[in-house]
Amino acid sequence: DVKVTQSSRYLVKRTGEKVFLECVQDMDHENMFWYRQDPGLGLRLIYFSYDVKMKEKGDIPEGYSVSREKKERFSLILESASTNQTSMYLCASSPSGTSGINEQFFGPGTRLTVL
Amino acid sequence: AQKITQTQPGMFVQEKEAVTLDCTYDTSDPSYGLFWYKQPSSGEMIFLIYQGSYDQQNATEGRYSLNFQKARKSANLVISASQLGDSAMYFCAMREVNSGYALNFGKGTSLLVTP
Repeated sequence: DVKVTQSSRYLVKRTGEKVFLECVQDMDHENMFWYRQDPGLGLRLIYFSYDVKMKEKGDIPEGYSVSREKKERFSLILESASTNQTSMYLCASSPSGTSGINEQFFGPGTRLTVL
Repeated sequence: AQKITQTQPGMFVQEKEAVTLDCTYDTSDPSYGLFWYKQPSSGEMIFLIYQGSYDQQNATEGRYSLNFQKARKSANLVISASQLGDSAMYFCAMREVNSGYALNFGKGTSLLVTP
């Protein structure tokens, strides 16, 4: 059974803290993604990675960075958490290839609250 | 500009009835794929169905079918014989082949199935 796991389902942090969200996939997928989901806004892409150590900015990268040192693991880093980063964070992975189905498989999400 | 538009924030349907969730898209890429995902209250995103831009026939997966009208740029999801477990958020998404691996998501439609 294919799986994407995220390190926490719920996380509460204080303003200014450095926050790490971890994502691991066991499908040997080349691509990994971080989205944030806010009510009424759908899913917005923060960053994605198409290979180890490779990354590309998505639509809303400000305030975030990422790290991919191993193929199966993709980390999202909030360098200095702010209250406007309170959100649901979803990790996904997919095989390489832009044509054909190659659907994204999602993790369960991390609901982050920044106080 | 919004690439995926879902105009129905919320929908109701009675159990055993069919329901159509609307999705229109905007692209100039001749090669693209359209996806529908379901997100129950538990939060995980579940892939439902895929339609490629060059596919001649409308996609079907069990009770799900995709009404693909390429000239109108619409990709509506049809759920037949609704069940209580179909109550969830539904997201339409598009991947443009020339834009890489990322998906553009709509803002979603909340479906409530009533007994």
